[in-house]
Amino acid sequence: KAGVTQTPRYLIKTRGQQVTLSCSPISGHRSVSWYQQTPGQGLQFLFEYFSETQRNKGNFPGRFSGRQFSNSRSEMNVSTLELGDSALYLCASSPAAGTGNTIYFGEGSWLTVV
Amino acid sequence: AQTVTQSQPEMSVQEAETVTLSCTYDTSESDYYLFWYKQPPSRQMILVIRQEAYKQQNATENRFSVNFQKAAKSFSLKISDSQLGDAAMYFCAYRIMDSNYQLIWGAGTKLIIKP
Repeated sequence: KAGVTQTPRYLIKTRGQQVTLSCSPISGHRSVSWYQQTPGQGLQFLFEYFSETQRNKGNFPGRFSGRQFSNSRSEMNVSTLELGDSALYLCASSPAAGTGNTIYFGEGSWLTVV
Repeated sequence: AQTVTQSQPEMSVQEAETVTLSCTYDTSESDYYLFWYKQPPSRQMILVIRQEAYKQQNATENRFSVNFQKAAKSFSLKISDSQLGDAAMYFCAYRIMDSNYQLIWGAGTKLIIKP
């Protein structure tokens, strides 16, 4: 079974631009969550989607948004990029609702804002 | 506040020996799950072991085991017979049982394996 797939793996953007990151969950998984990882702030929860609905959102500005499609694939978008948005963005999927489900991670998308 | 503390930024161990990584957490919830994830240089988070808070028995996965002390809110990871491939960042995390399904993460411990 294929794992969580994130694209692109690496990208460089200019301050003020926007970026879209994509995540394909493990087949059959309906919950997709996103995390930001930076050296200074560690791992921080961005948002979680289940059945195309955003269930939870972390403490990030409105420039960070996401969506989930009917096939469970998810995208996250960051508008008006700032230097501080440079980070590893990790996508994770889990089978269904419920905190007992293990979360499986992709390899991440490295975003550098210059 | 829900927090996870990993007090050891870095640990080193000789190959084939045993090492214990510490983790403490703070929550007022009684039902939750605890996890240890490994992040090698590839940066992919890999689940090492999980523990259900309602279970008294400590979880084990091959060379990895935990010491779960619910009253003390402690969840340490023991790695036996350390191997070079165990070198990575190790993150402790937990998830509480309410409508918020996010993982709360510790800052991580960098594990160095000496050959």
